[in-house]
Amino acid sequence: DSGVTQTPKHLITATGQRVTLRCSPRSGDLSVYWYQQSLDQGLQFLIQYYNGEERAKGNILERFSAQQFPDLHSELNLSSLELGDSALYFCASSVVTGSEGETQYFGPGTRLLVL
Amino acid sequence: ILNVEQSPQSLHVQEGDSTNFTCSFPSSNFYALHWYRWETAKSPEALFVMTLNGDEKKKGRISATLNTKEGYSYLYIKGSQPEDSATYLCASVNFNKFYFGSGTKLNVKP
Repeated sequence: DSGVTQTPKHLITATGQRVTLRCSPRSGDLSVYWYQQSLDQGLQFLIQYYNGEERAKGNILERFSAQQFPDLHSELNLSSLELGDSALYFCASSVVTGSEGETQYFGPGTRLLVL
Repeated sequence: ILNVEQSPQSLHVQEGDSTNFTCSFPSSNFYALHWYRWETAKSPEALFVMTLNGDEKKKGRISATLNTKEGYSYLYIKGSQPEDSATYLCASVNFNKFYFGSGTKLNVKP
C-alpha cells in the first residue's frame, strides 16, 4: 500500500457524460500527478500540481481538467466523454517537485469504461 | 513530444541469470530519469530516481546507471528470481513533464 488513495476504483459511464476522479496523496506529499494508461498506449503524463498550483501540463485534452485543493487532494474532471477515453487513470504523489530525489508513489488507479 | 525508447521490448530468462535493459532518451534539457517496476494488475512502483551524469544506484539485486551526455540508462538485475517478473518502465523528466518509455517486460522462469 503506497498511501495514495484513489476513488472510485471502477467507473462505467456513457459517451458524452462527465466524471470526476479523486486522489488523496500520501500524508505530507505536496505534489500530485495524473497519468492515463490506454490499451493501445503506454503510460501518458497528463498534469502535475504542487501545493495547489499547476506545475506542468502533459498530454491532457481540453475536455479534461484538474485541480488540487487546499487539503492537497486532487480531482481530475473528464467531460464530453468519448469511447477512446476508456483507460486506467493513475494518480501519484511525491514530497517535492523539481528537485533531486523526487520519488513518486502511485495510487491503485481508477478504471474508466465509456460505453 | 520527447522520444524515450526502451529495449528489449521483452525478455525471458532463467532463474539465476543476470540481465540488463536499456532506456534511451534525448540528452538535451534533461532533468531526471526515473525507473519503475510494474507488476501485472498492480501500480507502478518507483525503483530509482537519477539526475547526475555517472549516477549509480542500487537496491538489493537491482542497480541502475545513468549517462546524461549520451542519453541512456541501464538497469541491471543480478541473479534474477521469478518474483522479479514484471514490466520495467523508465521515464525521462524534461521541464517537469514525464515522458515514459514503453517498458521492458521481464519473465523469469523458475
